[in-house]
Amino acid sequence: QVHLQESGPGLVKPSETLALICSVSGGSINSFYWNWIRQAAGKGLEWLGQMSVSGTTNYNPSLKSRVSMSLDTSKKHFSLNLTSVSAADTAIYFCAISPLGYYHFDVWGQGTPVTFSS
Amino acid sequence: EVVLTQSPDTLSLSPGERATLSCRASQSLSSSYLAWYQQKPGQAPRLLIVSTSTRASGIPDRFSGSRSGTDFTLSISRLEPEDFAVYYCQQSGSSPITFGQGTRLDLK
Repeated sequence: QVHLQESGPGLVKPSETLALICSVSGGSINSFYWNWIRQAAGKGLEWLGQMSVSGTTNYNPSLKSRVSMSLDTSKKHFSLNLTSVSAADTAIYFCAISPLGYYHFDVWGQGTPVTFSS
Repeated sequence: EVVLTQSPDTLSLSPGERATLSCRASQSLSSSYLAWYQQKPGQAPRLLIVSTSTRASGIPDRFSGSRSGTDFTLSISRLEPEDFAVYYCQQSGSSPITFGQGTRLDLK
């Protein structure tokens, strides 16, 4: 069973770049599509984007100019970079996997909270 | 962008009752691309249903899904205490992937 664990700085300042890592254990990083999803406090879920092992990315247009994702297969890490952060980016960030050929999310990490600090 | 509108926002029921949760898509959507999730406080969402009506691994058969046109339904036949949570629908028929705003299933 694949296990996902997100990690990140916790606090970010205005205009900084948010960098998060999703560490993978118990399975191959090559067998899935990789996704980032976030959830502001008391709010719904927002899909940020997806990456395949081949390097193909698909980002949510609402963030497209600020978001990038990468996969490090040797370290079994999936990363998110979000530039020019603001208070609107305060949320819990989840990584999640989709089976190849499908676009639902069948395994999720526990999430890592990111808070905006002025 | 496909907008998913869930109703009701909150549903108050008792254990043993049947729950019916709705998710309406703003445009035509293949059955293959609609999923449902359950989320409890402080936890990540849990996949319940894929492709409108197929239960994910380990999901009890009291959970079922169906569709009529652009209206998708999650039904819980007999509520157990652990079923009280927030439920989200999600579409992947077109990019960006979107979620409904959620239905909170409360204990009456």
